[in-house]
Amino acid sequence: DAGVIQSPRHEVTEMGQEVTLRCKPISGHDYLFWYRQTMMRGLELLIYFNNNVPIDDSGMPEDRFSAKMPNASFSTLKIQPSEPRDSAVYFCASSSPGASGANVLTFGAGSRLTVL
Amino acid sequence: KQEVTQIPAALSVPEGENLVLNCSFTDSAIYNLQWFRQDPGKGLTSLLLIQSSQREQTSGRLNASLDKSSGRSTLYIAASQPGDSATYLCAVNGGNQFYFGTGTSLTVIP
Repeated sequence: DAGVIQSPRHEVTEMGQEVTLRCKPISGHDYLFWYRQTMMRGLELLIYFNNNVPIDDSGMPEDRFSAKMPNASFSTLKIQPSEPRDSAVYFCASSSPGASGANVLTFGAGSRLTVL
Repeated sequence: KQEVTQIPAALSVPEGENLVLNCSFTDSAIYNLQWFRQDPGKGLTSLLLIQSSQREQTSGRLNASLDKSSGRSTLYIAASQPGDSATYLCAVNGGNQFYFGTGTSLTVIP
């Protein structure tokens, strides 16, 4: 498996623009997580899905953020309109209990967002 | 809510030294605990996973232990090398969610 795949790796945009980040989880994983990482706040959970259904979005900062998972192999995190304080690295991760119940969490390489 | 703490926040050691990184958590009802490594500007790489029924896991020079009753885990790194310099994070799996510590930034001085 190619692991968790995120795109774009880097995004530079201007304040007010819409940003869409994409994630392809590991095939067979039924949990998908979106995290945001900044120096000031560390790693924050934004939202997670189970079997494509959003379970907990309490970490989404405000209405400008939205996430979807239309199928088991694709998820998006959208910011509209973007603001400079949204600048961060956004990670997607997936997991699955599996036969052993191990539930290993696997991260993508991240999308570094800079909002000017 | 589960709270995860990692102490110290930063650690600097000379090459060759053995070291221990600490992770503590408040709720002992966990499924597993995972240790990650993060290099600057990179993603998180899983190092070791300890199931709640296990006491320790080993991979090469790394050994992770888990004491659920006291809410503690340690990551032992033997014979540290400059290439071990990175931030180490622990994550506690409390069912569906993973709760992360803030990490320990390790610098191994040649």
